[in-house]
Amino acid sequence: GNSVTQMEGPVTLSEEAFLTINCTYTATGYPSLFWYVQYPGEGLQLLLKATKADDKGSNKGFEATYRKETTSFHLEKGSVQVSDSAVYFCACSSNTGKLIFGQGTTLQVKP
Amino acid sequence: DTEVTQTPKHLVMGMTNKKSLKCEQHMGHRAMYWYKQKAKKPPELMFVYSYEKLSINESVPSRFSPECPNSSLLNLHLHALQPEDSALYLCASSNQEGLAAFEQYFGPGTRLTVT
Repeated sequence: GNSVTQMEGPVTLSEEAFLTINCTYTATGYPSLFWYVQYPGEGLQLLLKATKADDKGSNKGFEATYRKETTSFHLEKGSVQVSDSAVYFCACSSNTGKLIFGQGTTLQVKP
Repeated sequence: DTEVTQTPKHLVMGMTNKKSLKCEQHMGHRAMYWYKQKAKKPPELMFVYSYEKLSINESVPSRFSPECPNSSLLNLHLHALQPEDSALYLCASSNQEGLAAFEQYFGPGTRLTVT
C-alpha cells in the first residue's frame, strides 16, 4: 500500500529563517498529495495540496511541489514566524479512500 | 460555516463507565470520520461513515461503537475502555466524491483519559 515518510523533528528555527520539511511517498499510480498542519490544542487543518506531477500547492506563504521523478513533496517557507510553530503532516491519497499520513514533523520557531 | 465541532473537549472516565463523544458539521458533507491520535503520532483512522452508513471499520474493538443519527451528526459511544485508549479523538468530515474525500475538515478533538 501507499506510504509517506517525513524527516524526523523537531525542527527548531529562528524567526525569519527558511524552512524545508522533507516528505517522500511510495504509491501505486498517481496519488494526490497534501500537507496538513496541527497547531497546539487543535485538530488538523489542510494547508495545501497538489493533484498531479509538477503541480505546486501554496497557502499562507508555504509551498510544495509534486515531484514524480523523486516521489517527493517537500514543504518550504521563505520566512517562518513564531505563529508557524506546529506539527506538520504530509499525506497522500490511496485507492482505499483513506488518507495516508506521515509521522509528522514538529516545528518550533523561536523569536 | 467550515467548522466541525466536538464535545466534550475533555473527558475523564473509569473503565466501567459508559460515555459518548459527539461531533457536528453543517457543511453538507456526506462523509464523516473518527480518528484516534496518540501524542506525537499521526491520526489513526477508526471509522468512516458515507451517506450515514458505516463504510469503513478499521478493526476497532467493540468497546468503541459509532453512530451516525443524521448527515450532520456523528457519535462515538464508549464502554469498558482500557487505560491504553486514552488519546485525542478527532472527528472529521469531507465531501464524498473523488479528490474532495481527502480534503478533510477536522474538529478540535476530545481529550480522553481512562483511569
